[in-house]
Amino acid sequence: AQKVTQAQTEISVVEKEDVTLDCVYETRDTTYYLFWYKQPPSGELVFLIRRNSFDEQNEISGRYSWNFQKSTSSFNFTITASQVVDSAVYFCALSDPNYGGSQGNLIFGKGTKLSVKP
Amino acid sequence: DSGVTQTPKHLITATGQRVTLRCSPRSGDLSVYWYQQSLDQGLQFLIQYYNGEERAKGNILERFSAQQFPDLHSELNLSSLELGDSALYFCASSEREGSTDTQYFGPGTRLTVL
Repeated sequence: AQKVTQAQTEISVVEKEDVTLDCVYETRDTTYYLFWYKQPPSGELVFLIRRNSFDEQNEISGRYSWNFQKSTSSFNFTITASQVVDSAVYFCALSDPNYGGSQGNLIFGKGTKLSVKP
Repeated sequence: DSGVTQTPKHLITATGQRVTLRCSPRSGDLSVYWYQQSLDQGLQFLIQYYNGEERAKGNILERFSAQQFPDLHSELNLSSLELGDSALYFCASSEREGSTDTQYFGPGTRLTVL
């Protein structure tokens, strides 16, 4: 079965600290896609990144970076020099085109609530 | 702004009632997905439409139904509402129907059933 686990329910850091949000996934297939979304206090879900299972290159976008390791089924997200505006709930999600009947729906983890204090 | 619009933003109703949530996908997107976010269940996939046809069903109750119209907007109908249906309902859209595409989410409709 497919599953996404975000073991950290809540994380609190002080501004300018680096923070890593963990994501571990389970799937039987070799072709799948992983995503991170941000849900700020206003409630909307904001797309951050998509990664396919054949691309294990780490990615950096400004203060954000992602570490994809197939060997450990992990797709971790690091925020460098955190800011108060980073306070949000962050969701990791999995999409598996071969999962019977799914046709691409996302399976979300429970989310990690990040609080960045000034 | 993702380009996906949802109306209304908030909806308060009573048990036993029926409501309709509306979603307009991003320009050019043919797939629409509905998700429910509740405190106990988290974010759960409900149903997907592609170019007017149902493509996949998740944990959608029989009291819930959806459709996608020729202009590609979608409606989610919730009937015989119960207290437990109170949740944030998201619509998302993507260009195609498979999992290769990114899903962009609307702002959500917060439903409160009293």
